Amino acid sequence: DAGVTQSPTHLIKTRGQQVTLRCSPKSGHDTVSWYQQALGQGPQFIFQYYEEEERQRGNFPDRFSGHQFPNYSSELNVNALLLGDSALYLCASSRDRVLAGGFDEQFFGPGTRLTVL
Amino acid sequence: QKEVEQNSGPLSVPEGAIASLNCTYSDRGSQSFFWYRQYSGKSPELIMSIYSNGDKEDGRFTAQLNKASQYVSLLIRDSQPSDSATYLCAVNMFSEDTGRRALTFGSGTRLQVQP
Repeated sequence: DAGVTQSPTHLIKTRGQQVTLRCSPKSGHDTVSWYQQALGQGPQFIFQYYEEEERQRGNFPDRFSGHQFPNYSSELNVNALLLGDSALYLCASSRDRVLAGGFDEQFFGPGTRLTVL
Repeated sequence: QKEVEQNSGPLSVPEGAIASLNCTYSDRGSQSFFWYRQYSGKSPELIMSIYSNGDKEDGRFTAQLNKASQYVSLLIRDSQPSDSATYLCAVNMFSEDTGRRALTFGSGTRLQVQP
């Protein structure tokens, strides 16, 4: 049973560029959430996708956008990169359940380490 | 004002001892609570979920929830050096910034188990 996969593993970009990160959820999961984790901090919620729509969003600017495909995989896009966007980007998948208001047990992928120079 | 608070540690315990990790949260309406373990350079790994007041046991791990006190804890019995990691508490909380619920993580407690 494949777990959550993410690509690429590492990425180096320069300020002002755009980046796309990809995620495939765990088998049987239909909900994908994205997080940003800075060094020494806990993950910060960016947004959650379910049924190809953004269902929840954290306190992140519109430069951060996403998409979910019919096969439940997802992309995170970040435009106009800033130095402060350097972080570990985590994708987590879960099954949609009424319990916990959409935040059932989430399983994380290995992450994409983004460095902005 | 942090919404999910954890002591950053490090919490140092000898091998075989019980490690006690604590977490407090600010949203009294929170309904779901999770503990994750994160090794250095790796992604978080789900250890426990708890939704009701009381204790929930899984192997060497016990999660304890007290909604009235807005407090959740994780006990690790018979601690092993391989348990050395950062433990993250996560709570489904209402955010005043966004007006929505979001899974909010603490900054984590670093646990060191001494052989």
